[in-house]
Amino acid sequence: QKEVEQDPGPLSVPEGAIVSLNCTYSNSAFQYFMWYRQYSRKGPELLMYTYSSGNKEDGRFTAQVDKSSKYISLFIRDSQPSDSATYLCAIPSGGYQKVTFGTGTKLQVIP
Amino acid sequence: DSGVTQTPKHLITATGQRVTLRCSPRSGDLSVYWYQQSLDQGLQFLIQYYNGEERAKGNILERFSAQQFPDLHSELNLSSLELGDSALYFCASSLAGGHTDTQYFGPGTRLTVL
Repeated sequence: QKEVEQDPGPLSVPEGAIVSLNCTYSNSAFQYFMWYRQYSRKGPELLMYTYSSGNKEDGRFTAQVDKSSKYISLFIRDSQPSDSATYLCAIPSGGYQKVTFGTGTKLQVIP
Repeated sequence: DSGVTQTPKHLITATGQRVTLRCSPRSGDLSVYWYQQSLDQGLQFLIQYYNGEERAKGNILERFSAQQFPDLHSELNLSSLELGDSALYFCASSLAGGHTDTQYFGPGTRLTVL
């Protein structure tokens, strides 16, 4: 079983839609969860991080962790064409010696 | 712009050859990471250095090696190249190399092996 699994999409939504991006993870000991955004032909950049469980909000973005289900989500409200990118979840793993990234979900927001 | 630089941007070479990818971390960052990104495997961690010393190793092939120099820049050496090594190679840097440190990624080097 992979440590982190993510639906690769692609996901295409109209402008203004609420987007839900999801990952599952295998190890219940994981405590720290990150979301990176990668625009085409660019390196990933950290979007949000959250500890343990619950929600964290930053503008139009909300990161949510459900530890009982080992499920993490990123919600984007009022999605914009500029949100079109690949979103990768990331979790420190391997005894915290590395960060394991999901394969990424490609999102396209259509004007 | 993350402040991490990588050269070259593109590299085209033949099977069996050897190449060197170079990375300069953000000013002040002591840790450097190397990742390989391909369409089918996603972003795979290869290796991490902290202040010149190897700190963590991921799925790095024996044909690949890396080092971090006293000025903190890093090089990734890929030898006996195979078609399957064609990918984007990213370097990232962080302040102290902790697992919760923000990693800042460079623009990547696109390697094509023919």
